[in-house]
Amino acid sequence: GAVVSQHPSRVICKSGTSVKIECRSLDFQATTMFWYRQFPKQSLMLMATSNEGSKATYEQGVEKDKFLINHASLTLSTLTVTSAHPEDSSFYICSASMVDEKLFFGSGTQLSVL
Amino acid sequence: SQQGEEDPQALSIQEGENATMNCSYKTSINNLQWYRQNSGRGLVHLILIRSNEREKHSGRLRVTLDTSKKSSSLLITASRAADTASYFCATDATSSNTGKLIFGQGTTLQVKP
Repeated sequence: GAVVSQHPSRVICKSGTSVKIECRSLDFQATTMFWYRQFPKQSLMLMATSNEGSKATYEQGVEKDKFLINHASLTLSTLTVTSAHPEDSSFYICSASMVDEKLFFGSGTQLSVL
Repeated sequence: SQQGEEDPQALSIQEGENATMNCSYKTSINNLQWYRQNSGRGLVHLILIRSNEREKHSGRLRVTLDTSKKSSSLLITASRAADTASYFCATDATSSNTGKLIFGQGTTLQVKP
């Protein structure tokens, strides 16, 4: 089946630093990728839709200047958490869709901001 | 905003028993999907049911969809300890099947050996 690779799987950073998370579709081209955030024991909250070659579409309440998304190629989308603070600590997951509508998910990134 | 409400929030059963999880949603949908998540990991797609379908099977999984009640159920038969995970329903309510999914709250299933 299709594979989506997400890196890093875990990152610990100091408050005020920026963190970049990569999401790659390994064996298919993904014109659209999605970024989700998940708090412990909670569901996935859609943050933004990443479109190749254009600006991302952010969900209501998500700060676009805080969470920078770049989708420069058909196989790579990146999420940069800028000036991270402890409240940004969370599990971030990317996904990519294929023509049959189901999503393939990366393995997630656990971000801990000290 | 969350589209789906799932119940129960947590379910604990013995190996070999069946597990049923329910999902309700609010808007019209193109399809409804069920995903599984092991702790601290990404999600794995289980099954997709389209709005014009009422029931679908995949191995030990059976999914039903009632669009009049805006609800779906996932049945796992003959459960195994390895089925222990969180299960989420997700709906695609977009007009163009973009893959943009809104997830329910999830059901945490524990299968005791």
